[in-house]
Amino acid sequence: AQSVSQHNHHVILSEAASLELGCNYSYGGTVNLFWYVQYPGQHLQLLLKYFSGDPLVKGIKGFEAEFIKSKFSFNLRKPSVQWSDTAEYFCAVNAPNSGYSTLTFGKGTMLLVSP
Amino acid sequence: EAGVAQSPRYKIIEKRQSVAFWCNPISGHATLYWYQQILGQGPKLLIQFQNNGVVDDSQLPKDRFSAERLKGVDSTLKIQPAKLEDSAVYLCASIPRWASGSPGELFFGEGSRLTVL
Repeated sequence: AQSVSQHNHHVILSEAASLELGCNYSYGGTVNLFWYVQYPGQHLQLLLKYFSGDPLVKGIKGFEAEFIKSKFSFNLRKPSVQWSDTAEYFCAVNAPNSGYSTLTFGKGTMLLVSP
Repeated sequence: EAGVAQSPRYKIIEKRQSVAFWCNPISGHATLYWYQQILGQGPKLLIQFQNNGVVDDSQLPKDRFSAERLKGVDSTLKIQPAKLEDSAVYLCASIPRWASGSPGELFFGEGSRLTVL
């Protein structure tokens, strides 16, 4: 079975600081990788996704993530955070070629950006 | 385009009582999921439907949880009897028919928050 680990449960940053949220997964085969975001009072929504190709993926609102296969990682980054980035971030993975088509989520990282 | 609709948004019950949650996915989305999100954890899949058939219910506690999607559109998740540990947000999500084989973006509803006292 696949699993997802997110290293930080809570992160507090000041505006304009750089952000990197760690994500590691446990499955050794071909995977699809995702970052979802949940803003306060809103539903989960897709931030970015990786299926294949360029391992550096750009998403909405200036976020990007890098897939490093050798490290089983898919870390999320943003050069300069804003107060509006305060939200909970979830890494997720599926492995559709191996029967794990449903998404497995990490426990999430709560990001608080202070103005 | 309307999003995934869920109701009720909030429900407070006492243990051993029953509760039901309703979900209406985005029009045309054949695959529907119910996830349970306990505070401090990520969403965990309870059940997946493809049209009105169950694809995966391996993590559904079948002694107390049941779900149905009779006409392949909206779905109901029921808990009877509820336990304290069922306190969570119940999320419904759907994906388009063409993405059923390899789901990418799940479209989530706002969730139904259950508190069991």
